[in-house]
Amino acid sequence: AQRVTQPEKLLSVFKGAPVELKCNYSYSGSPELFWYVQYSRQRLQLLLRHISRESIKGFTADLNKGETSFHLKKPFAQEEDSAMYYCALLSSNTGKLIFGQGTTLQVKP
Amino acid sequence: ETGVTQSPTHLIKTRGQQVTLRCSSQSGHNTVSWYQQALGQGPQFIFQYYREEENGRGNFPPRFSGLQFPNYSSELNVNALELDDSALYLCASSLGTGIGETQYFGPGTRLLVL
Repeated sequence: AQRVTQPEKLLSVFKGAPVELKCNYSYSGSPELFWYVQYSRQRLQLLLRHISRESIKGFTADLNKGETSFHLKKPFAQEEDSAMYYCALLSSNTGKLIFGQGTTLQVKP
Repeated sequence: ETGVTQSPTHLIKTRGQQVTLRCSSQSGHNTVSWYQQALGQGPQFIFQYYREEENGRGNFPPRFSGLQFPNYSSELNVNALELDDSALYLCASSLGTGIGETQYFGPGTRLLVL
């Protein structure tokens, strides 16, 4: 079964603290994974995808096929990082994105 | 470059009615995907249209149907509305359906079924 799991509904950290948002996936083929972010009152937007290996707004994510994980990390959280974060898996044979339930990141001053 | 737009932004319907939601894809994009996002959940894939043909469908009943037009805009139709259809409906467009294609989302239409 194709599935994405984000075990934490809410992650609360202080400004300047490291952040790790967890994502685990189940997929039989070669996965293509994404992180999307939704800031308050804004649309869902792409944060990063594993094939581009970019760092966006200080966030990085490494695909670990052995652990079937794609955790999102940032060394020093900023208040403007507060948002809802969704991990998503692209099903290559259907073109659909399979989303996790999302994690709300709250960065406190 | 124009982003993905959706209309209307909000809609209230009663059980049993029918609804049509609209989506204009980003300039140059030929693929539109529709998602349903219930409160507190991640988006769930409904179906995808590529060059006016359905190109994949999620686990939704046939009363959820769609169309894509020659200009690649799209409609989502839901018949015989049920209370559980209350959700945010998201449309996303992409350049194609292949690996590496990023889906860009619209702001959504919030549907409330009473």
